[in-house]
Amino acid sequence: DGGITQSPKYLFRKEGQNVTLSCEQNLNHDAMYWYRQDPGQGLRLIYYSQIVNDFQKGDIAEGYSVSREKKESFPLTVTSAQKNPTAFYLCASSINWGGFNEQYFGPGTRLTVT
Amino acid sequence: GDSVTQMEGPVTLSEEAFLTINCTYTATGYPSLFWYVQYPGEGLQLLLKATKADDKGSNKGFEATYRKETTSFHLEKGSVQVSDSAVYFCAPGAGSYQLTFGKGTKLSVIP
Repeated sequence: DGGITQSPKYLFRKEGQNVTLSCEQNLNHDAMYWYRQDPGQGLRLIYYSQIVNDFQKGDIAEGYSVSREKKESFPLTVTSAQKNPTAFYLCASSINWGGFNEQYFGPGTRLTVT
Repeated sequence: GDSVTQMEGPVTLSEEAFLTINCTYTATGYPSLFWYVQYPGEGLQLLLKATKADDKGSNKGFEATYRKETTSFHLEKGSVQVSDSAVYFCAPGAGSYQLTFGKGTKLSVIP
């Protein structure tokens, strides 16, 4: 079955540690996205990638980094510079970049930093 | 960029009640319009979409009509079920921009 996988579902880290969240898709989509979801704030875009080997900052990129070395993979690193990293993180993909295109979402990773 | 205003929740309804969740948007150009649903602890799923004026998107008993004159895309369902309890997101999207998501409306349906 085609889809997006995120792992792990729950992640716990100590403050000051970097952590990498995995996102893989087998939909052959060019564009991929990372969102952060906090209660009552909807989804906020962290980074996006229109095509392999390219990525752009979204609205709240500070304290995060990404790579896009393969079409199917778009890992997100939450660095120690991110002031409030505890959140639910969602990865998505679409066939092409652009708002006309439906985005497909993974099941999410809930990160807790203490 | 685009912006979207969704009806604030939470919304609590009895089973078989009629549901309306309001959504209005501002957008440059002629956006596509989407409703996504998020069940507890899960990612978002596309519920329905419309791509041009007067189009009606529908799925699982939910409907929404693209109203260009009022820049609205209100979500409706005639008879909700307990299994419809979830958070609903409205999202306009135009060509050169990513989707813009509303803050979400939490729906709780009680038996």
